[in-house]
Amino acid sequence: QKEVEQNSGPLSVPEGAIASLNCTYSDRGSQSFFWYRQYSGKSPELIMFIYSNGDKEDGRFTAQLNKASQYVSLLIRDSQPSDSATYLCAVQGSGNTGKLIFGQGTTLQVKP
Amino acid sequence: ETGVTQTPRHLVMGMTNKKSLKCEQHLGHNAMYWYKQSAKKPLELMFVYNFKEQTENNSVPSRFSPECPNSSHLFLHLHTLQPEDSALYLCASSQGRFNQPQHFGDGTRLSIL
Repeated sequence: QKEVEQNSGPLSVPEGAIASLNCTYSDRGSQSFFWYRQYSGKSPELIMFIYSNGDKEDGRFTAQLNKASQYVSLLIRDSQPSDSATYLCAVQGSGNTGKLIFGQGTTLQVKP
Repeated sequence: ETGVTQTPRHLVMGMTNKKSLKCEQHLGHNAMYWYKQSAKKPLELMFVYNFKEQTENNSVPSRFSPECPNSSHLFLHLHTLQPEDSALYLCASSQGRFNQPQHFGDGTRLSIL
């Protein structure tokens, strides 16, 4: 079992729709969860982070965390073609090194 | 504009060459990281430094040698690399190691001939 799992996609949504990106993790003691956006040929850019169960909203983005189910998601409302990118889920485990474990990423395509 | 600067952006080297990658962060952070990103693979942590001290070596081959002279600078010295080492090498920094987001530089695209 992979430590952090994401569906590689591509996930295709029409412009203006809600895009839902999902991530599951195996370390039940994980404390911190991050979403990064990576455009082709570019470096990862932090979108959101969440530490507590529930929802966290920032503009068009909402991160959702359910520690009991070991599940974290990212919702993008009113999707735009500029949101087309690969979205990386990263989880900081329960160890004492601060190590981040990344999923392989989900490619999102927003079609005009 | 990124607060984490990496040089060079692109590097082509032969297997017998020695080269170094440089990373500098302007964010006042105290933890720095090296990652490797290969095609169709997740980002892979290589090394972690906290206040100049190495706290993680993720079973990286000795042909990769990190150096962290201070909290703002991080180097990755390369020697006798293999073709499978061709990848994007990313540097990141964070305020602390725990529960803090990491901010990435633009990376160095490395090609081994």
